Amino acid sequence: QSVLTQPPSVSAAPGQKVTISCSGSSSNIGNNYVSWYQQLPGTAPKLLIYDNNKRPSGIPDRFSGSKSGTSATLGITGLQTGDEADYYCGTWDSSLSAGFLFGGGTKLTVL
Amino acid sequence: QVQLQESGPGLVKPSQTLSLTCTVSGGSISSGGYYWSWIRQHPGKGLEWIGYIYYSGSTYYNPSLKSRVTISVDTSKNQFSLKLSSVTAADTAVYYCARDTVTTKTFDYWGQGTLVTVSS
Repeated sequence: QSVLTQPPSVSAAPGQKVTISCSGSSSNIGNNYVSWYQQLPGTAPKLLIYDNNKRPSGIPDRFSGSKSGTSATLGITGLQTGDEADYYCGTWDSSLSAGFLFGGGTKLTVL
Repeated sequence: QVQLQESGPGLVKPSQTLSLTCTVSGGSISSGGYYWSWIRQHPGKGLEWIGYIYYSGSTYYNPSLKSRVTISVDTSKNQFSLKLSSVTAADTAVYYCARDTVTTKTFDYWGQGTLVTVSS
C-alpha cells in the first residue's frame, strides 16, 4: 500500500475532462514538489508534469497539475483514446524513512 | 537528447546478486545537476524507487532496500550500475534507470526498462 494515495481507476468519454488525485502528508506532498508520469501499455513512464504544475517541452496543455496542502491533482482535458494509460504521482518524502515515493497508480480508461 | 539504456542478465538465480548497467548517451553524467536513479516495477504493479547516485559517487538508497543495494558510477564510460544482493522471487521486476534533477527530484529521462526474473 503506497504512502501516496491515488484512485485505482478513472474513466471518461473522449473529449471530456478527468482529474486524478494524489493524497499524501506534510512530510511528502506538503513540503516537496510533485511530478506526474504517464505509462502507456508496455512502455517506460514518461514525465508529464514537474514542479507541481509545469509541463516539459512537448507535453500538450491538455495536461495540467496543481497542488494544495498535502494533495495534488492531475487534470486532462479533451480526452483522447491515446491517453489510455497508467498515471503515477511522485514526490520526495522528508521523513525518517526519506526517499522518493510514487503513488500506487491510476488506470485511465477512455470509454 | 539524453538517452538511457539498461543492460544485464534477464535471469538471476535466488540468493545471487542482480547486476545491471545503465549507459547514458547524449549527455555527460559528470556534468552535474542530476542524480542517476534506479527504479523498478513488479509485474502488474506500481513503481518503486531503488536509489540514486551523483557523479561524485555519493549515493542514497530506499531505506527498505538499503541493506542489499549498491549503486556505482563509471564516469569514464558514462555508465552507472545497480547491484542487488540476495535476490528472491520478490525481486522479479522490470528495472528502469532514469535521470533525476537535483533541484526538484523529477525523473525527466528514462531507459526502456529491462525485465529481470529471479528463478532457479
